[in-house]
Amino acid sequence: GENVEQHPSTLSVQEGDSAVIKCTYSDSASNYFPWYKQELGKRPQLIIDIRSNVGEKKDQRIAVTLNKTAKHFSLHITETQPEDSAVYFCAASRPNFGNEKLTFGTGTRLTIIP
Amino acid sequence: DARVTQTPRHKVTEMGQEVTMRCQPILGHNTVFWYRQTMMQGLELLAYFRNRAPLDDSGMPKDRFSAEMPDATLATLKIQPSEPRDSAVYFCASGLGRADYGYTFGSGTRLTVV
Repeated sequence: GENVEQHPSTLSVQEGDSAVIKCTYSDSASNYFPWYKQELGKRPQLIIDIRSNVGEKKDQRIAVTLNKTAKHFSLHITETQPEDSAVYFCAASRPNFGNEKLTFGTGTRLTIIP
Repeated sequence: DARVTQTPRHKVTEMGQEVTMRCQPILGHNTVFWYRQTMMQGLELLAYFRNRAPLDDSGMPKDRFSAEMPDATLATLKIQPSEPRDSAVYFCASGLGRADYGYTFGSGTRLTVV
């Protein structure tokens, strides 16, 4: 089955700096890669996603890049703010005729230092 | 705003007791997942259902865990007997079977087994 590895497990950055979180996946058939943000005590929520036919996607201060050849994808957060502090999970999914599940990475705890 | 409802939000129980967690998926969603979140393992998939039929429960310890969907509006996860190592947050998520349509998480059940 799919295996998703995520690095780093913890990350601290100064407010205003950029943060990058990286994930690798094992199943070359995977074609959908979402990122979830989980604030303390809250549920995971989808913040951005990318499909395998796209190399990069941006939404304001966040962006995701995908390298299908190397089987890795990354989350980039620019101009970080205190409210970006959270645990971020990457995930991967392969097509399965409407029975698609998400395999998650182990999460990155991001702390923004004021 | 449609939500996945999980009950109870918190549960403290003694080792050996039975624990039942409930999930009400978003109306119309036909795919339901159970995930377990621990500090060490991130988000582990325990089981998932499509149209109430179990598709994959390979992540679930079969000797003590069971998952069912008695009807389309209720999914249950039972642990019998519970053990301290089962202490975790259990999340339910629902969707329409395609990962790129998005899966919505409930607020979770925080289980503590003492």
